[in-house]
Amino acid sequence: DAMVIQNPRYQVTQFGKPVTLSCSQTLNHNVMYWYQQKSSQAPKLLFHYYDKDFNNEADTPDNFQSRRPNTSFCFLDIRSPGLGDAAMYLCATADPRGNTEAFFGQGTRLTVV
Amino acid sequence: AQSVAQPEDQVNVAEGNPLTVKCTYSVSGNPYLFWYVQYPNRGLQFLLKYITGDNLVKGSYGFEAEFNKSQTSFHLKKPSALVSDSALYFCAVRAFSSNTGKLIFGQGTTLQVKP
Repeated sequence: DAMVIQNPRYQVTQFGKPVTLSCSQTLNHNVMYWYQQKSSQAPKLLFHYYDKDFNNEADTPDNFQSRRPNTSFCFLDIRSPGLGDAAMYLCATADPRGNTEAFFGQGTRLTVV
Repeated sequence: AQSVAQPEDQVNVAEGNPLTVKCTYSVSGNPYLFWYVQYPNRGLQFLLKYITGDNLVKGSYGFEAEFNKSQTSFHLKKPSALVSDSALYFCAVRAFSSNTGKLIFGQGTTLQVKP
């Protein structure tokens, strides 16, 4: 059974048109992460939540925003997508205790045209 | 700063041969180390972790990893590779600069297993 679900799996958006990616979880984890992954590179952390406490990475562009209305759901908003934002976006959840692994969704492949 | 390094972009092995994918880390304090595998256009799947205890950790699909504190390494191993093991492998460390424990990844190693 899927525990971290990302929708959609594939998203095509126009240059400059706002787009929202969604993530839901059934694990009731406090921590949720959003990563950007380009071309089989290492996933790059954009931001993460501990409950509703939002933590932005210093190098995450302002173009990227996030919302977490409740424990189960988290959204990634790209306000004005550029060609360079085309990537795989990965959502993950974790228990805040370090001795447990993070659980990843299947990812959303974003194409900007 | 916490970091993870995977020195090989690609590892090639023949089916049936043993495989090793290398990982070294740099953390302050005790490391929490993980291996994940990624198939094309998929998310990351957890393979195994080292938290404490035995240095040899066993995980999914016959994989194991050896934690070596003196060499700050956590190499992934499998005694007999399968073609279906061909994928992208990531080593990761959980870094506790805050109470959330950010997961930091190495650059990844592509494993190619040839029949």
